[in-house]
Amino acid sequence: EIVLTQSPATLSLSPGERATLSCRASQSVSSYLAWYQHKPGQAPRLLIYDASNRATGIPARFSGSGSGTDFTLTISSLEPEDFAIYYCQQRSNWYSFGQGTKLEIK
Amino acid sequence: QVTLKESGPALVKPTQTLTLTCTFSGFSLSTRGTRVSWIRQPPGKALEWLARIDWDDKKFYSTSLKTRLTISKDTSKNQVVLTMTNMDPVDTATFYCARAHTSQGDWFEFWGQGTLVTVSS
Repeated sequence: EIVLTQSPATLSLSPGERATLSCRASQSVSSYLAWYQHKPGQAPRLLIYDASNRATGIPARFSGSGSGTDFTLTISSLEPEDFAIYYCQQRSNWYSFGQGTKLEIK
Repeated sequence: QVTLKESGPALVKPTQTLTLTCTFSGFSLSTRGTRVSWIRQPPGKALEWLARIDWDDKKFYSTSLKTRLTISKDTSKNQVVLTMTNMDPVDTATFYCARAHTSQGDWFEFWGQGTLVTVSS
């Protein structure tokens, strides 16, 4: 089983600031990594797939990078609607998710 | 427009069998490459993939829960059903169904809003 470890657990930032979220895999997942945004009571939303590709309709302020075991989701300038929980997910060896990073307003 | 919606009991007793239904629209599970998975999230914990059914009726299960899970589909009703036997309080979770497609990299592109299932006597 591939374990994904996300850091930090909580990130406190203000609108307009840059957010950097990390996801580390216990073994290489190549580029088979995605990022999701999740708000309470809503369906999770696919943001980034294959480590660096934005999903349909996702704003350009969201970007992903990395390969192998270390990945980053960057939000270049936070909008009020970006405060949510973010999960990474791998599909290199079946499916597993990280524990999530809560992005909260400072 | 693709939508998925989970339905089922909000409360089940320990040892009971849980049956959840995912009703979807905007796609057909008979279309080559289409896959529907069930994923759960216990309160305060990570998302956990449970099972998947493919357009060709192939079925796949989480290794740790394989003996307790059954997934099936009714293409005519646009539904996927998950049963989980011998429910325990630790199975309390929000259950989601999600669609993927092999042509889009097999990522969970569309999700339902989830249904909370509490296991308690």
